[in-house]
Amino acid sequence: RKEVEQDPGPFNVPEGATVAFNCTYSNSASQSFFWYRQDCRKEPKLLMSVYSSGNEDGRFTAQLNRASQYISLLIRDSKLSDSATYLCVTPKPDYGGSQGNLIFGKGTKLSVKP
Amino acid sequence: DADVTQTPRNRITKTGKRIMLECSQTKGHDRMYWYRQDPGLGLRLIYYSFDVKDINKGEISDGYSVSRQAQAKFSLSLESAIPNQTALYFCATSGHSNQPQHFGDGTRLSIL
Repeated sequence: RKEVEQDPGPFNVPEGATVAFNCTYSNSASQSFFWYRQDCRKEPKLLMSVYSSGNEDGRFTAQLNRASQYISLLIRDSKLSDSATYLCVTPKPDYGGSQGNLIFGKGTKLSVKP
Repeated sequence: DADVTQTPRNRITKTGKRIMLECSQTKGHDRMYWYRQDPGLGLRLIYYSFDVKDINKGEISDGYSVSRQAQAKFSLSLESAIPNQTALYFCATSGHSNQPQHFGDGTRLSIL
């Protein structure tokens, strides 16, 4: 099982739609999670951090299910500007010295159409 | 001003040349990282540094070297560039483990 796994998409949705992405992780010791968005050929930008069961920021909601080892990102009322690749990320829970290094999913591509 | 600044933003060079990519940050973070990104492969860690005297190899360090000149500066060198090092390179910083990383704008490097 991959450390962090995401559906690559693409998810093609109309403006105003609600869309949800899931991300599964293999290490039950993972404590925190981040969602980044990355536009084509640009740097990843932090969208949301999740340290407990979930987080909400405007149209964006993240929910963490530790029992099933997945985290979701829900986007409500999609905008054209939400079109991007969304990366699911967690720090590596490694006690051999690399603790804190991030494990990146390969991303889910979202395309919002008019 | 950007918190994490990379220079140059774009570079085209020839095989065999020595290249240095620079990264500076004003976030006061101890941890700094260098990644490369290739289409379809996601981000891969090249080197990382948890403080000025700490340098560690990432998953793809061959052909690269780094220098942590100060808390705020972390440079990546390609001693003898080869075409398969053509990629988008990102520098990132973070405060502590379990905190997110913050990325620079990236350097687009092409080796002919």
